[in-house]
Parts: sequence; C-alpha cells; structure tokens
Amino acid sequence: GAGVSQTPSNKVTEKGKYVELRCDPISGHTALYWYRQSLGQGPEFLIYFQGTGAADDSGLPNDRFFAVRPEGSVSTLKIQRTERGDSAVYLCASSLSGGEFVYEQYFGPGTRLTVT
Amino acid sequence: GENVEQHPSTLSVQEGDSAVIKCTYSDSASNYFPWYKQELGKGPQLIIDIRSNVGEKKDQRIAVTLNKTAKHFSLHITETQPEDSAVYFCAATYADGLTFGKGTHLIIQP
Repeated sequence: GAGVSQTPSNKVTEKGKYVELRCDPISGHTALYWYRQSLGQGPEFLIYFQGTGAADDSGLPNDRFFAVRPEGSVSTLKIQRTERGDSAVYLCASSLSGGEFVYEQYFGPGTRLTVT
Repeated sequence: GENVEQHPSTLSVQEGDSAVIKCTYSDSASNYFPWYKQELGKGPQLIIDIRSNVGEKKDQRIAVTLNKTAKHFSLHITETQPEDSAVYFCAATYADGLTFGKGTHLIIQP
C-alpha cells in the first residue's frame, strides 16, 4: 500500500518568510509525528498527534513552529518568520496508534527546507 | 528526558563480514527500541525493532539484542552485502516520540 507522503520534497525560502509543509500519513494510522533532521544528525522529535489533537508538542523549538491535523489525517507543519537555522529535513512518520503501547513508526521521504 | 548514544559513527567492513552497532540509553522507562536504515536523500526505513520484554530478535541477516540491566542494545548484520551500505540509526521510547542516536555510517568494502 501507499506509504507516508510529504510535499513539497524541497522548499527554498527567504529569511523571514512563512512556510507550510504537508504530510499525508498511511491510511488508517491515527498517530502522526513530525521530526527535524539536521545534516549528520539523527531525527529530532517535534510533535505528536493522536487523532486531531496534539498529544505532545514538547519538541517544538519555539512559538514560530505550529502544526495542525484538523481531520485526523493530513497534517501541516507551519513555520513563521523563518530563520537560516530552520534549514533542515523535516520528516513525518505515522503509526497505527500511540500512547502506552508503542507501534512501529513509518517515515516519509521528508521535505528539505532551505532558508536563504 | 531520554538520551541515546550510538557507536561507532563510521564502520567499514569487508563484504561478507559481520557488522555490529551499539547503542546505550538513559531512561529505564524506555520499552521500545527500533533500528532504522537511511539511504541518501530518503527517509528512515524501519528494519527491525525490539521490545523490553524480549532479549533478542532475528530477521534473516539482521538481529538485535537488548540488555535492560545495562541499558544497551545492539544491531548485528551478518554476511554483509553492498546494499547494506547506508546510515543506521538506533532509537528508544516509552511513549510519544522516538529519541534517536546520531547514526552510524556503514561502508561495505568490496
């Protein structure tokens, strides 16, 4: 079946601009995660959704970052007033559920964000 | 929070030999330990995982071992092949998001 998809695959923006990154999870997966991966590093957790609600947003670096999942499927990560330090690959993952029993997380291909 | 250390950062082995990558974690509450393979320009691909109620798990040429007392877990790849060349990440969690190690660049020498 179809895996996790992310659009766009690449995004170049100027410092100070607003960007939106989209994630389409595997059908039927209720849990959705956003991670950020800097060059040469492992992915870093940003936020976790269970259904429509953000169950854990402790990884968001500051209030310029926000994510939504209004219908419990597609999610959008929004970054305001982008800074050069926001440049990274933004990864999305989904799993059957979340919480006490940890299900396998499957990742999308990522969106490479470059802030100039 | 959880902290995951991974070693080595680079591992070069001859084709056909075995490769071992080791990770330690800090949070004794962690109960799920996946391993991911990431090729250049792609997202991480889950290759094997282990839960805290199991000491060892094997899937063809790959195996993972877990020592809860010492808080470390390892990935073993036997009979390495050129297509095993990639960056491998270990991770740990007890809920919510995964905490990843910094990765091991595995190079298979022909």
